[in-house]
Amino acid sequence: DSGVTQTPKHLITATGQRVTLRCSPRSGDLSVYWYQQSLDQGLQFLIQYYNGEERAKGNILERFSAQQFPDLHSELNLSSLELGDSALYFCASSDTGDPYEQYFGPGTRLTVT
Amino acid sequence: QQPVQSPQAVILREGEDAVINCSSSKALYSVHWYRQKHGEAPVFLMILLKGGEQKGHDKISASFNEKKQQSSLYLTASQLSYSGTYFCGTEHWGKLQFGAGTQVVVTP
Repeated sequence: DSGVTQTPKHLITATGQRVTLRCSPRSGDLSVYWYQQSLDQGLQFLIQYYNGEERAKGNILERFSAQQFPDLHSELNLSSLELGDSALYFCASSDTGDPYEQYFGPGTRLTVT
Repeated sequence: QQPVQSPQAVILREGEDAVINCSSSKALYSVHWYRQKHGEAPVFLMILLKGGEQKGHDKISASFNEKKQQSSLYLTASQLSYSGTYFCGTEHWGKLQFGAGTQVVVTP
């Protein structure tokens, strides 16, 4: 158990809908990272927040947004969902702003039908 | 641009050795190695920093050639627990980009 929690475990929704994925980092960690893992794209970095502020941005679509709250939990919002958004979404946390030694949560599997 | 890993897959018998390579076309600040078992989340193994410092797993070793922008992960005297997909991640401007992964299967 990495200490990172993600909810929900599974999400099934229709195209065009909007969903919110939630992540709570390990106690004491200030950084939260979001990754998308699909069969054809591998593990793709989406975005990082450090102590409430956006720190680094990867291949995140404009339809996706994220935020980190004062209690350091983070939410990833996915809107206007398309079939291609079906994937496993991981959240990871680390204690610093640098992307070192990240601890991954169990992931949320999103299926868009 | 994501780093390139080789081989794509390797099958070993317990006790055998293997090397997984990771190369990048960009200058690297650090290289990170993670292992992901089927149906589970990636787990941090090791980080190698420019200048030679490394932190991580005590039974798996790695090297980092800054000039060649390459890293290698050495699985020595492999155990059944080493099975999984190994990802290298290269850091560039604070962002980690992962390779496509190398699947390792260790058989009895």
